[in-house]
Amino acid sequence: SAVISQKPSRDICQRGTSLTIQCQVDSQVTMMFWYRQQPGQSLTLIATANQGSEATYESGFVIDKFPISRPNLTFSTLTVSNMSPEDSSIYLCSVRAGGRDEQFFGPGTRLTVL
Amino acid sequence: AQSVAQPEDQVNVAEGNPLTVKCTYSVSGNPYLFWYVQYPNRGLQFLLKYITGDNLVKGSYGFEAEFNKSQTSFHLKKPSALVSDSALYFCAVRDTGNTPLVFGKGTRLSVIA
Repeated sequence: SAVISQKPSRDICQRGTSLTIQCQVDSQVTMMFWYRQQPGQSLTLIATANQGSEATYESGFVIDKFPISRPNLTFSTLTVSNMSPEDSSIYLCSVRAGGRDEQFFGPGTRLTVL
Repeated sequence: AQSVAQPEDQVNVAEGNPLTVKCTYSVSGNPYLFWYVQYPNRGLQFLLKYITGDNLVKGSYGFEAEFNKSQTSFHLKKPSALVSDSALYFCAVRDTGNTPLVFGKGTRLSVIA
């Protein structure tokens, strides 16, 4: 299985600011995903970030609000821009390692926006 | 489009009793089905998957799930519940392409001693 780390693990931010979340994987993976889990709710896919191509965003999510970088096969960042209290969520990085069917998840970044 | 339904927000079970957490799905083509568990303040942990083959799949921590194609269901089961099984359980599905997982809303399992 892939081991995934995320930084920061949690943060409290002010309205209008931006936060960049880092995701590091211990092996090279082609497929990487970013999910959001709002309080008491399920996981919602924000975007798919495959190395070498632009991120693909799901309906309701836009690049200006959630820019993503994927510079190599082991690293990605998600930025939450111009934050509002509605952005308070857990943000999870997920990967599908080559040849595996299941997705593995990072520990998440718990974001609170005041 | 793929979708998953978990009809129960909460399931309460006495310790030692069998447990079932329900999941139904909708997907075009053959489904890839998964169960994940989330403990408080921790990430998602993979429990088990069905891709093909035997309809009864065994996974981690004594859990199993039964794939039923005619009922489009993939219920999670355990013969004897433990208090430590108390957590949030998610069913997820994708099709056979390079698509990401789609999750159900989750079912909170509470095992009472």
